[in-house]
Amino acid sequence: DGGITQSPKYLFRKEGQNVTLSCEQNLNHDAMYWYRQDPGQGLRLIYYSQIVNDFQKGDIAEGYSVSREKKESFPLTVTSAQKNPTAFYLCASSIVRGVNQPQHFGDGTRLSIL
Amino acid sequence: AQSVTQPDIHITVSEGASLELRCNYSYGATPYLFWYVQSPGQGLQLLLKYFSGDTLVQGIKGFEAEFKRSQSSFNLRKPSVHWSDAAEYFCAVGIFSGGYQKVTFGIGTKLQVIP
Repeated sequence: DGGITQSPKYLFRKEGQNVTLSCEQNLNHDAMYWYRQDPGQGLRLIYYSQIVNDFQKGDIAEGYSVSREKKESFPLTVTSAQKNPTAFYLCASSIVRGVNQPQHFGDGTRLSIL
Repeated sequence: AQSVTQPDIHITVSEGASLELRCNYSYGATPYLFWYVQSPGQGLQLLLKYFSGDTLVQGIKGFEAEFKRSQSSFNLRKPSVHWSDAAEYFCAVGIFSGGYQKVTFGIGTKLQVIP
């Protein structure tokens, strides 16, 4: 079955440490997205990518970085510059051509501070 | 810029009762509208979508939603709620801007179902 796989499901970060969240999709989608979810705030866009080797900042990109070396993969690094990283992180993908295509989501990674 | 309002943060209904979750959007043209459902610790699953045409759209799990342009609303309904419907529901509006699909999500409505 096609889908989006996020790993790990739970992740703990120490002070001053960078951590990387994995997102892999086998839907052959061009676009991929990272969202942060906090209670009572809905989903906020961190980064998005429409094509390999290209990505754009979303609404809350500070303290995060991404790469898109392969169509299937869009890892997110939470850097030490992100002072409040505790949240639920969701990866999504969609077909770029034609806006009438919904985004498909992975099952998320919950990041906590040790 | 588009925005989405879900005025009810929590809703409690009895099993077997009808359900309506409210969603209002703000956008200059007709947007693309979605409803997603999220179970605890899970990702979002698409329930239904509206792009054009018939303003009453059917989705999965027995849900439907009605687009009302005059009220800028896209309310989600279900005639008879099941205990398994307890989850958080997100309304979202999508536009195509700058060559990519920008989706704005509401803050969600948590549905509790009581026996």
